[in-house]
Amino acid sequence: AQSVAQPEDQVNVAEGNPLTVKCTYSVSGNPYLFWYVQYPNRGLQFLLKYITGDNLVKGSYGFEAEFNKSQTSFHLKKPSALVSDSALYFCAVRDQTGANNLFFGTGTRLTVIP
Amino acid sequence: DSGVTQTPKHLITATGQRVTLRCSPRSGDLSVYWYQQSLDQGLQFLIHYYNGEERAKGNILERFSAQQFPDLHSELNLSSLELGDSALYFCASSAPRDRGFNTEAFFGQGTRLTVV
Repeated sequence: AQSVAQPEDQVNVAEGNPLTVKCTYSVSGNPYLFWYVQYPNRGLQFLLKYITGDNLVKGSYGFEAEFNKSQTSFHLKKPSALVSDSALYFCAVRDQTGANNLFFGTGTRLTVIP
Repeated sequence: DSGVTQTPKHLITATGQRVTLRCSPRSGDLSVYWYQQSLDQGLQFLIHYYNGEERAKGNILERFSAQQFPDLHSELNLSSLELGDSALYFCASSAPRDRGFNTEAFFGQGTRLTVV
């Protein structure tokens, strides 16, 4: 069965420092992987995706993520955090077999400290 | 604007009642997913429809049901409501007809349901 794990409920980072939000997945076959961000009282906004090709994918607002097949990970990164990056981040995986369902992790709350 | 429209934005109702949440997907998208998000919780997958047919069920209660209509909009019906059903309900659409499933899902703004 497919699943996504975000091992950290909360990540705190100082403004200007690099940030990493971790995600590991389990899925049959090759995964489609996604990162979303949620601001208070808003829907989820798409940040970036890995479908195939280059393991390092770049997305919106300066975020990037690295797909690591051997470690089944897809960590979200940004070289220099902004206070405005403070939000709830979700990793998601879609299986390519069966129903093509989209499963989300439990989310990681990122707080960037001025 | 994601292109996904959910109505109503807010809903307050009493226990035991029934409500219907509506979702209009992005133009051309064939898939609609429904999720429940309780306070400060992750997204619980409820159900997935593709081109009018149920594709898969997740953690959806028997009191809940959904359908996708020929024009591809979807409705989530919640009945015999309990206090614990209070949550944000999101729908997301994906899989445009010409591109399939290697695309991201776009989310609506959600319906905040409060059961009193």
